[in-house]
Amino acid sequence: KNEVEQSPQNLTAQEGEFITINCSYSVGISALHWLQQHPGGGIVSLFMLSSGKKKHGRLIATINIQEKHSSLHITASHPRDSAVYICAVSEQDGNEKLTFGTGTRLTIIP
Amino acid sequence: EAGVAQSPRYKIIEKRQSVAFWCNPISGHATLYWYQQILGQGPKLLIQFQNNGVVDDSQLPKDRFSAERLKGVDSTLKIQPAKLEDSAVYLCASSPRAGMYAYTFGSGTRLTVV
Repeated sequence: KNEVEQSPQNLTAQEGEFITINCSYSVGISALHWLQQHPGGGIVSLFMLSSGKKKHGRLIATINIQEKHSSLHITASHPRDSAVYICAVSEQDGNEKLTFGTGTRLTIIP
Repeated sequence: EAGVAQSPRYKIIEKRQSVAFWCNPISGHATLYWYQQILGQGPKLLIQFQNNGVVDDSQLPKDRFSAERLKGVDSTLKIQPAKLEDSAVYLCASSPRAGMYAYTFGSGTRLTVV
């Protein structure tokens, strides 16, 4: 069973700061997903990675398969980025079940 | 493209009552998932369907929870009888098929058992 750990659990930063959220997992995966959940809202898929790096607007996601580690970066952070960011991995078990981390609660202060 | 539709958005019931949630995935998505998210925790998979067949229901409390996906399209999740610890958000997600595809999540149903 894959263990997915995220750090930090909570992060408060000033508007404009560069944000990094980390995710590590314990066994091989077929893909890693970064998800965003706003309070009271549903979950939005931000990235799906199996190698390297992806960029979308101010968001950048990287993954190191050998080290079993991924990072989500936010450049020029804005209060609307305040949300819970969740890392999830698709297991290599044939069913590709998603195992979720507990999330990182990000608060950006104006 | 329409998203994953879930209803109701909110439900409050007393313990020992029954409740049902409905999910309509994105058209053409073969894989459908039900997750339970307790406050402060990450989502936990309850059941995964591939078309109308069950792929994984190992974490579904089968003594009280049941789910079906008739005709491989929409799905219902039922709890009977409900317990206080079932209070959570129930999320439905779908993907074209399991594996290297992005998931689309519904807005969830927030269940409160009193």
